[in-house]
Amino acid sequence: EDQVTQSPEALRLQEGESSSLNCSYTVSGLRGLFWYRQDPGKGPEFLFTLYSAGEEKEKERLKATLTKKESFLHITAPKPEDSATYLCAVEDNNDMRFGAGTRLTVKP
Amino acid sequence: NAGVMQNPRHLVRRRGQEARLRCSPMKGHSHVYWYRQLPEEGLKFMVYLQKENIIDESGMPKERFSAEFPKEGPSILRIQQVVRGDSAAYFCASSQEQAGTEAFFGQGTRLTVV
Repeated sequence: EDQVTQSPEALRLQEGESSSLNCSYTVSGLRGLFWYRQDPGKGPEFLFTLYSAGEEKEKERLKATLTKKESFLHITAPKPEDSATYLCAVEDNNDMRFGAGTRLTVKP
Repeated sequence: NAGVMQNPRHLVRRRGQEARLRCSPMKGHSHVYWYRQLPEEGLKFMVYLQKENIIDESGMPKERFSAEFPKEGPSILRIQQVVRGDSAAYFCASSQEQAGTEAFFGQGTRLTVV
């Protein structure tokens, strides 16, 4: 069965303390891996799409990378406004399946 | 270009009543997905629809739940005879194409069954 697993479940960082979030997946045929940010009480906001192993994408303090088995979301020098839940989703065939998310808290 | 619109944002129903959740996709999008999010859990896929067609409903409970995306108008997720366990946030997403393109989400409908 296809699975998407995110770790850690929760991450607390000091402002400026860089770290990485992990998304590991097992799917029969990957069409795309997506990263979303979700703030409390709101819908997920699209961040990145990765299609093939070795691909990388950057946006401000965020950088997403992809291998055949996992993706990392690297956060460089985070700020308090980066606090949110970060969701990873994998699309194969007709479905897009989400991980449970990593709740990131960045303290000033 | 307005984003994905869901309404209502909050819905309270008594046990046994029906809940209707609406989703208007972004302009030009013909693919709609519905997800359920329980507290402290990730988004769970429910159903994938194109105009007038259900493509994949493998995540939908077999009873009481149905979805449609008519030729005109919003997509509707319908829950009959709601129970307390149906309380959750229901998110709709839309995309232009099915394969490998990002989906844009609405703000969700928070259903509370009392």
